[in-house]
Amino acid sequence: RKEVEQDPGPFNVPEGATVAFNCTYSNSASQSFFWYRQDCRKEPKLLMSVYSSGNEDGRFTAQLNRASQYISLLIRDSKLSDSATYLCVVISPTSGTYKYIFGTGTRLKVLA
Amino acid sequence: ETGVTQTPRHLVMGMTNKKSLKCEQHLGHNAMYWYKQSAKKPLELMFVYSLEERVENNSVPSRFSPECPNSSHLFLHLHTLQPEDSALYLCASSQDGAAGNTIYFGEGSWLTVV
Repeated sequence: RKEVEQDPGPFNVPEGATVAFNCTYSNSASQSFFWYRQDCRKEPKLLMSVYSSGNEDGRFTAQLNRASQYISLLIRDSKLSDSATYLCVVISPTSGTYKYIFGTGTRLKVLA
Repeated sequence: ETGVTQTPRHLVMGMTNKKSLKCEQHLGHNAMYWYKQSAKKPLELMFVYSLEERVENNSVPSRFSPECPNSSHLFLHLHTLQPEDSALYLCASSQDGAAGNTIYFGEGSWLTVV
């Protein structure tokens, strides 16, 4: 089983739609969680951190479910500019330090 | 604007050449990373340096040689590469030692091996 798993997509949605992605992680000791966005031929950029109580940033809402070991990202009122690959990132303890584990990404296409 | 800068942004090299990729971070972080991303593939971690010591090497071929002279600079020395090494090479930095710290990427160096 991969340490972090995401549905690769693509998710093709019309403008204005609501879309949600999930990401599962295998290490129950994982401590921090993030969503990154990667545009085509660009570097990944932090979209938002994911907090235990859930958090919202404009049209984006992130949730963490520790019991089921998954995080989610909800995008409301999708814009064309939201088209990108969304990477789930989990920080897990290892050998006295921490490592960043990246999912393979979920590709989103918002259609006009 | 980026706290992690990479040069060159684009590099074309022959299989017998020797070249280097350079990365500099201006964020005061103590950990730096090299990642490889081939076309339409996920990120692959290559090397991790924490406090200038290499702490992880994910079975990368010896034709890739990293160097971390100080906490702000990271190099990736390349020699006798293969065409399949053509990819986007991303440098990143973070503050190691605590969970919750985000990782920041440079814009990447596009490498083409001919």
